Amino acid sequence: DTGVSQNPRHKITKRGQNVTFRCDPISEHNRLYWYRQTLGQGPEFLTYFQNEAQLEKSRLLSDRFSAERPKGSFSTLEIQRTEQGDSAMYLCASSPHNTQYFGPGTRLTVL
Amino acid sequence: GQQLNQSPQSMFIQEGEDVSMNCTSSSIFNTWLWYKQDPGEGPVLLIALYKAGELTSNGRLTAQFGITRKDSFLNISASIPSDVGIYFCAASVDDKIIFGKGTRLHILP
Repeated sequence: DTGVSQNPRHKITKRGQNVTFRCDPISEHNRLYWYRQTLGQGPEFLTYFQNEAQLEKSRLLSDRFSAERPKGSFSTLEIQRTEQGDSAMYLCASSPHNTQYFGPGTRLTVL
Repeated sequence: GQQLNQSPQSMFIQEGEDVSMNCTSSSIFNTWLWYKQDPGEGPVLLIALYKAGELTSNGRLTAQFGITRKDSFLNISASIPSDVGIYFCAASVDDKIIFGKGTRLHILP
């Protein structure tokens, strides 16, 4: 399977803990995006990378959120000191140009 | 800011019926995309449109990029049970895409 993969698929954590998610994009895609999706809404843009450079961050991405793509391949999204409001589906997408292909998402539940 | 108005919000149809949904905006976009999302999964790309006026089909699905570049529609012909799900329109200019709020399709037995 050569699609976008995300790990873990589900994460349950206690408030205040740190969590890290991983995204492996389609190998020839140089752009990688992170989104957050809550129930009944479409995905909301968080940040994106072209190769290893983080080019844009949304206002939604508070100081507790950080994303990296160190070698321009896989990416990680870390949330520090999680809050209950962080509970959502976190989606990763990769793109060769302006069409994005999504992974299955990581569902985060903060208790 | 830019936003997409997707309608209808939900639809209840009989199996075999045709479906139509659309997305409008006050902004101009370079690309329109239609995705389907099943529960607990990421959105799956159905159709991508890159040129104003473009009409593209993918099996029973047909989508068009509006001539004004501010709208798009998606039609599904002869619906079947596996068409159930949430359909999202998305549009992009430059490198970012924004999403509509989705149309939830229900098929009545």
